[in-house]
Amino acid sequence: DTAVSQTPKYLVTQMGNDKSIKCEQNLGHDTMYWYKQDSKKFLKIMFSYNNKELIINETVPNRFSPKSPDKAHLNLHINSLELGDSAVYFCASSRTVHGYTFGSGTRLTVV
Amino acid sequence: KQEVTQIPAALSVPEGENLVLNCSFTDSAIYNLQWFRQDPGKGLTSLLLIQSSQREQTSGRLNASLDKSSGRSTLYIAASQPGDSATYLCAVNAEYGNKLVFGAGTILRVKS
Repeated sequence: DTAVSQTPKYLVTQMGNDKSIKCEQNLGHDTMYWYKQDSKKFLKIMFSYNNKELIINETVPNRFSPKSPDKAHLNLHINSLELGDSAVYFCASSRTVHGYTFGSGTRLTVV
Repeated sequence: KQEVTQIPAALSVPEGENLVLNCSFTDSAIYNLQWFRQDPGKGLTSLLLIQSSQREQTSGRLNASLDKSSGRSTLYIAASQPGDSATYLCAVNAEYGNKLVFGAGTILRVKS
Protein backbone atom coordinates (compact mmCIF):
# COMPACT_ATOMS: atom_id res chain seq x y z
CA ASP A 1 0.00 0.00 0.00
CA THR A 2 1.25 3.46 -0.84
CA ALA A 3 0.91 5.60 2.22
CA VAL A 4 2.34 7.68 5.00
CA SER A 5 2.81 5.50 8.05
CA GLN A 6 3.73 6.68 11.50
CA THR A 7 4.44 4.82 14.73
CA PRO A 8 3.42 4.51 17.43
CA LYS A 9 -0.29 5.23 17.16
CA TYR A 10 -0.59 5.93 20.89
CA LEU A 11 2.09 7.12 23.29
CA VAL A 12 1.56 7.64 27.02
CA THR A 13 4.55 8.88 28.97
CA GLN A 14 5.52 10.79 32.08
CA MET A 15 6.62 14.40 32.23
CA GLY A 16 10.34 14.85 31.70
CA ASN A 17 10.77 11.78 29.50
CA ASP A 18 12.23 11.79 25.98
CA LYS A 19 10.26 10.11 23.19
CA SER A 20 10.37 9.67 19.42
CA ILE A 21 7.73 9.29 16.75
CA LYS A 22 8.69 7.72 13.43
CA CYS A 23 7.28 8.48 9.99
CA GLU A 24 7.83 6.87 6.61
CA GLN A 25 6.29 7.53 3.20
CA ASN A 26 6.52 5.37 0.09
CA LEU A 27 4.83 7.84 -2.24
CA GLY A 28 8.04 9.21 -3.72
CA HIS A 29 7.26 12.66 -2.35
CA ASP A 30 10.17 15.00 -1.73
CA THR A 31 8.71 17.05 1.10
CA MET A 32 7.65 15.80 4.51
CA TYR A 33 6.00 17.57 7.43
CA TRP A 34 5.01 17.36 11.04
CA TYR A 35 1.70 18.90 12.08
CA LYS A 36 0.26 19.21 15.57
CA GLN A 37 -3.46 18.99 16.32
CA ASP A 38 -4.25 20.51 19.70
CA SER A 39 -7.14 19.82 22.06
CA LYS A 40 -9.34 22.22 20.08
CA LYS A 41 -8.67 20.09 16.98
CA PHE A 42 -6.78 22.91 15.23
CA LEU A 43 -4.01 21.68 12.90
CA LYS A 44 -0.82 23.67 12.67
CA ILE A 45 2.47 23.01 10.93
CA MET A 46 5.57 22.41 13.04
CA PHE A 47 8.29 21.47 10.55
CA SER A 48 8.82 20.71 6.91
CA TYR A 49 11.75 18.99 5.22
CA ASN A 50 12.54 18.95 1.52
CA ASN A 51 15.08 16.35 0.38
CA LYS A 52 16.36 15.98 3.94
CA GLU A 53 16.77 19.75 4.36
CA LEU A 54 14.83 21.70 6.99
CA ILE A 55 12.62 24.24 5.23
CA ILE A 56 10.14 25.36 7.88
CA ASN A 57 10.45 25.57 11.65
CA GLU A 58 7.36 27.29 12.98
CA THR A 59 8.65 28.63 16.30
CA VAL A 60 8.51 25.22 17.89
CA PRO A 61 10.41 24.83 21.21
CA ASN A 62 13.87 23.41 20.68
CA ARG A 63 12.86 20.40 22.79
CA PHE A 64 11.36 19.20 19.49
CA SER A 65 13.98 17.98 17.02
CA PRO A 66 13.04 16.53 13.65
CA LYS A 67 15.46 14.24 11.87
CA SER A 68 15.31 13.18 8.25
CA PRO A 69 17.77 10.39 7.45
CA ASP A 70 16.51 10.22 3.87
CA LYS A 71 13.69 11.54 1.66
CA ALA A 72 11.30 8.82 2.79
CA HIS A 73 11.66 9.26 6.54
CA LEU A 74 11.04 12.10 8.97
CA ASN A 75 11.20 11.32 12.67
CA LEU A 76 10.27 13.60 15.56
CA HIS A 77 12.18 13.47 18.81
CA ILE A 78 10.86 15.30 21.85
CA ASN A 79 13.01 15.96 24.93
CA SER A 80 11.83 16.72 28.45
CA LEU A 81 8.15 16.20 27.69
CA GLU A 82 5.67 18.62 29.26
CA LEU A 83 1.94 18.31 29.95
CA GLY A 84 1.27 20.87 27.21
CA ASP A 85 2.86 18.62 24.62
CA SER A 86 -0.16 16.32 24.81
CA ALA A 87 -1.75 16.41 21.36
CA VAL A 88 -2.10 14.40 18.18
CA TYR A 89 0.93 14.63 15.90
CA PHE A 90 0.48 14.04 12.19
CA CYS A 91 3.15 13.31 9.66
CA ALA A 92 2.45 14.27 6.05
CA SER A 93 4.17 14.30 2.69
CA SER A 94 3.62 16.14 -0.56
CA ARG A 95 4.69 16.90 -4.06
CA THR A 96 3.19 20.35 -4.41
CA VAL A 97 0.80 20.01 -7.30
CA HIS A 98 -0.33 16.60 -6.10
CA GLY A 99 -1.55 17.68 -2.70
CA TYR A 100 -0.76 16.35 0.73
CA THR A 101 -1.10 12.85 2.17
CA PHE A 102 -1.35 12.48 5.93
CA GLY A 103 -0.50 9.64 8.27
CA SER A 104 -3.06 8.35 10.74
CA GLY A 105 -1.61 10.33 13.65
CA THR A 106 0.13 9.65 16.96
CA ARG A 107 -1.85 10.52 20.08
CA LEU A 108 0.67 11.66 22.68
CA THR A 109 -0.47 11.87 26.30
CA VAL A 110 1.92 13.26 28.89
CA VAL A 111 0.98 12.47 32.49
CA LYS B 1 -0.21 35.94 7.09
CA GLN B 2 -2.63 33.45 5.59
CA GLU B 3 -5.77 32.78 7.63
CA VAL B 4 -8.46 30.26 6.77
CA THR B 5 -12.00 30.45 8.10
CA GLN B 6 -14.68 27.80 7.81
CA ILE B 7 -18.38 28.41 8.20
CA PRO B 8 -20.45 26.98 9.77
CA ALA B 9 -18.50 25.53 12.69
CA ALA B 10 -21.10 22.78 13.05
CA LEU B 11 -24.00 21.54 10.99
CA SER B 12 -26.70 18.97 11.69
CA VAL B 13 -28.94 17.89 8.81
CA PRO B 14 -31.40 15.08 8.07
CA GLU B 15 -30.31 12.37 5.68
CA GLY B 16 -30.81 13.15 2.01
CA GLU B 17 -30.22 16.89 2.21
CA ASN B 18 -27.82 18.70 -0.08
CA LEU B 19 -25.44 20.91 1.84
CA VAL B 20 -22.70 23.46 1.38
CA LEU B 21 -19.64 24.01 3.53
CA ASN B 22 -17.81 27.30 3.17
CA CYS B 23 -14.14 28.17 3.37
CA SER B 24 -12.51 31.57 3.00
CA PHE B 25 -8.85 32.57 2.96
CA THR B 26 -7.18 35.95 3.31
CA ASP B 27 -4.27 35.68 0.84
CA SER B 28 -5.13 34.69 -2.72
CA ALA B 29 -1.51 33.70 -3.51
CA ILE B 30 -2.08 29.96 -3.27
CA TYR B 31 -0.87 26.91 -5.20
CA ASN B 32 -3.94 24.87 -4.45
CA LEU B 33 -6.67 24.18 -1.95
CA GLN B 34 -7.45 20.79 -0.44
CA TRP B 35 -10.54 19.51 1.37
CA PHE B 36 -10.06 16.77 3.94
CA ARG B 37 -12.33 14.64 6.05
CA GLN B 38 -11.45 13.60 9.60
CA ASP B 39 -13.40 10.98 11.49
CA PRO B 40 -13.23 11.04 15.33
CA GLY B 41 -9.89 9.74 16.55
CA LYS B 42 -8.68 9.15 13.00
CA GLY B 43 -6.34 10.72 10.49
CA LEU B 44 -7.10 13.00 7.56
CA THR B 45 -8.52 11.66 4.33
CA SER B 46 -8.08 13.81 1.26
CA LEU B 47 -11.38 14.44 -0.53
CA LEU B 48 -10.62 16.93 -3.28
CA LEU B 49 -7.66 18.95 -4.48
CA ILE B 50 -8.21 22.09 -6.56
CA GLN B 51 -5.25 23.73 -8.28
CA SER B 52 -5.16 27.53 -8.31
CA SER B 53 -5.91 27.54 -12.05
CA GLN B 54 -9.02 25.39 -11.64
CA ARG B 55 -12.56 26.43 -10.77
CA GLU B 56 -13.92 23.16 -9.45
CA GLN B 57 -13.33 19.46 -8.86
CA THR B 58 -15.84 16.65 -8.49
CA SER B 59 -15.69 13.23 -6.89
CA GLY B 60 -18.89 11.25 -6.60
CA ARG B 61 -21.38 13.21 -4.50
CA LEU B 62 -18.77 15.85 -3.67
CA ASN B 63 -18.08 19.00 -5.61
CA ALA B 64 -15.60 21.66 -4.55
CA SER B 65 -15.34 25.08 -6.14
CA LEU B 66 -12.61 27.68 -5.93
CA ASP B 67 -12.79 31.42 -6.47
CA LYS B 68 -9.20 32.39 -5.91
CA SER B 69 -9.63 36.12 -6.49
CA SER B 70 -12.28 36.42 -3.80
CA GLY B 71 -10.57 33.94 -1.48
CA ARG B 72 -13.44 31.47 -1.28
CA SER B 73 -14.09 27.77 -1.70
CA THR B 74 -17.21 25.72 -1.16
CA LEU B 75 -17.67 22.01 -0.68
CA TYR B 76 -21.02 20.77 -1.90
CA ILE B 77 -22.27 17.41 -0.65
CA ALA B 78 -25.23 15.97 -2.52
CA ALA B 79 -27.80 13.62 -0.98
CA SER B 80 -26.05 13.46 2.39
CA GLN B 81 -25.81 10.14 4.24
CA PRO B 82 -25.13 9.28 7.89
CA GLY B 83 -21.71 7.98 6.80
CA ASP B 84 -20.83 11.54 5.77
CA SER B 85 -20.79 12.54 9.44
CA ALA B 86 -17.26 13.78 10.19
CA THR B 87 -15.21 16.96 10.50
CA TYR B 88 -14.46 18.60 7.16
CA LEU B 89 -11.25 20.60 6.93
CA CYS B 90 -10.28 23.14 4.31
CA ALA B 91 -6.57 23.83 3.81
CA VAL B 92 -4.72 26.17 1.45
CA ASN B 93 -1.23 25.57 0.16
CA ALA B 94 0.45 28.96 0.21
CA GLU B 95 2.36 29.99 -2.88
CA TYR B 96 5.30 30.94 -0.70
CA GLY B 97 6.31 28.79 2.23
CA ASN B 98 5.18 25.40 0.96
CA LYS B 99 2.86 24.58 3.83
CA LEU B 100 -0.80 23.88 4.38
CA VAL B 101 -2.77 26.36 6.44
CA PHE B 102 -5.92 24.82 7.89
CA GLY B 103 -9.29 26.17 8.88
CA ALA B 104 -10.81 25.08 12.18
CA GLY B 105 -13.19 22.70 10.42
CA THR B 106 -16.92 22.12 10.09
CA ILE B 107 -18.36 19.32 12.21
CA LEU B 108 -21.08 17.65 10.16
CA ARG B 109 -23.74 15.36 11.57
CA VAL B 110 -26.17 13.67 9.20
CA LYS B 111 -29.15 12.18 11.03
CA SER B 112 -30.88 9.06 9.78
